[in-house]
Amino acid sequence: DTAVSQTPKYLVTQMGNDKSIKCEQNLGHDTMYWYKQDSKKFLKIMFSYNNKELIINETVPNRFSPKSPDKAHLNLHINSLELGDSAVYFCASSSRDRGSPLHFGNGTRLTVT
Amino acid sequence: GENVEQHPSTLSVQEGDSAVIKCTYSDSASNYFPWYKQELGKRPQLIIDIRSNVGEKKDQRIAVTLNKTAKHFSLHITETQPEDSTVYFCAAPGANAGKSTFGDGTTLTVKP
Repeated sequence: DTAVSQTPKYLVTQMGNDKSIKCEQNLGHDTMYWYKQDSKKFLKIMFSYNNKELIINETVPNRFSPKSPDKAHLNLHINSLELGDSAVYFCASSSRDRGSPLHFGNGTRLTVT
Repeated sequence: GENVEQHPSTLSVQEGDSAVIKCTYSDSASNYFPWYKQELGKRPQLIIDIRSNVGEKKDQRIAVTLNKTAKHFSLHITETQPEDSTVYFCAAPGANAGKSTFGDGTTLTVKP
């Protein structure tokens, strides 16, 4: 069983479109995250949620809107996609404790043309 | 917030040699220091971690050392093998649960 699963794996779309990425974890973790990995492979946190509550929002454009219907799910909706949004988006989860490792999903490669 | 610097960005060693990657962090509240590796096209995966009440931790050929005073921690890989060639990331949580800041990564190449 996949611990953190995100869909789709690949997403190719045109500028200006709206798209969503879904993420689910079955580890019983309280905290979920979205990270963006750009072409230089830098991993940057975008959002984190704890028990459906937003706790971290790292100056991400408001075209990005995360939603957490329950603590096992964290989805990412992106409006008016831009070329610079092209990247790999990773969902991750961990327990609330700061001393806990992140468990990553397999990533969604978003390409905006 | 937490700032993590990772060096070197690329590292090339001969098979059998040791490799060392170092990270420095800024927030003294950080108390947990994981290392991840990321194979090409794959997700980052934890390889070893250390908590602030410990100075060193080993797992077979991999070890992590922590110097809290100097605010740095290092990944040591001994007897390197070509299969160790990949990208390694360090991370630190800072004062906020829910925010792990990653270093910029180190691409390790082990030459046979």
